[in-house]
Amino acid sequence: SAVISQKPSRDICQRGTSLTIQCQVDSQVTMMFWYRQQPGQSLTLIATANQGSEATYESGFVIDKFPISRPNLTFSTLTVSNMSPEDSSIYLCSVERPSSYEQYFGPGTRLTVT
Amino acid sequence: GQQVMQIPQYQHVQEGEDFTTYCNSSTTLSNIQWYKQRPGGHPVFLIQLVKSGEVKKQKRLTFQFGEAKKNSSLHITATQTTDVGTYFCAGVSMGGGSNYKLTFGKGTLLTVNP
Repeated sequence: SAVISQKPSRDICQRGTSLTIQCQVDSQVTMMFWYRQQPGQSLTLIATANQGSEATYESGFVIDKFPISRPNLTFSTLTVSNMSPEDSSIYLCSVERPSSYEQYFGPGTRLTVT
Repeated sequence: GQQVMQIPQYQHVQEGEDFTTYCNSSTTLSNIQWYKQRPGGHPVFLIQLVKSGEVKKQKRLTFQFGEAKKNSSLHITATQTTDVGTYFCAGVSMGGGSNYKLTFGKGTLLTVNP
């Protein structure tokens, strides 16, 4: 399975600011995914990021709020822009085991917005 | 959009008792996956079911996929304290081309009293 790291592991931010979360994988992968998980809740897909194309956002999530970069096959970033307390959550990236639909998750970034 | 319901939300058992969580989708699924998330951890892939009526076993865990490919269950025999965590089902639905999406259920939090 892929080894996935995320930075930062946690952060406390002021409302109105932006935070960029990094996701690094130890092998080349085609599809990367970004999820949000409220504490004690389920996972909600934010967007799918394929290298070389624009990210595909799910309903309720927009590029202006959650811009994503995917510069190569091992790295992606998610920016949470103009943050409000409602953005406090755990943000997880995941990658797919090739041609399987199985996903491997990073350790997550715990974001608190004050 | 697709919805995946999961029950129960919580289950507390005595060590040695059995445990079952149920998952039901509003639409027919391509595949269904199960993940386990330990407290403070990230989701870890357990298994994927693909065929109608499929049953798979992993030691004390038994996974079933319904005949109509709209429901699934996870049964743990003789629970141990190491089984503690939240179990999520995730329905796989296909988008255009090679795109697909996981829709997670709300999860079942299992606690085990030693």
